[in-house]
Amino acid sequence: DTAVSQTPKYLVTQMGNDKSIKCEQNLGHDTMYWYKQDSKKFLKIMFSYNNKELIINETVPNRFSPKSPDKAHLNLHINSLELGDSAVYFCASSQDRGSPRYFGPGTRLTVL
Amino acid sequence: GNSVTQMEGPVTLSEEAFLTINCTYTATGYPSLFWYVQYPGEGLQLLLKATKADDKGSNKGFEATYRKETTSFHLEKGSVQVSDSAVYFCALSNQGGKLIFGQGTELSVKP
Repeated sequence: DTAVSQTPKYLVTQMGNDKSIKCEQNLGHDTMYWYKQDSKKFLKIMFSYNNKELIINETVPNRFSPKSPDKAHLNLHINSLELGDSAVYFCASSQDRGSPRYFGPGTRLTVL
Repeated sequence: GNSVTQMEGPVTLSEEAFLTINCTYTATGYPSLFWYVQYPGEGLQLLLKATKADDKGSNKGFEATYRKETTSFHLEKGSVQVSDSAVYFCALSNQGGKLIFGQGTELSVKP
């Protein structure tokens, strides 16, 4: 069974569009995260939610808005997409506020 | 600030060779240290961790020792297999949940 799943796996879109990436975990974890991996494979945290409450909000453009309808889901909505948003986005989860144990397979976003 | 530096990849080894992937860090205070592995087409998985100086993390034949005096957390394995081919990430955490990653080291093991 997949522990952390993301959809879609690939997302190709035009500049200026709005898109969403969905994440679900079936581990019963309380904390979920979004990480961005750039073309050089450098990973950086974007957001973290604990029991639907935002606990980490790094310096990302406010075009990025996470939404957590329940503790098993953390979606990422991106408005007015830009070329520099092209990256692989990883969702992750952990039992408590400690560092993430499981990551999803990633969503490769390409902005044209 | 906090940062992690890993040796450049790709690292190419023959099966059963000894593996070392170097990782050094800069941090304030006493961070926890981690190694994550990313197999082709998959997300990252926690491989091992150490939370204080001189701790040794180990899993699946991999080991790393938290060396405060040299600010290092090198990953080692005595005998690699083809199935170990992946990208390995060193990371530190100084605040709950906020991981700082190195740039990743690709390992390729040939039969």
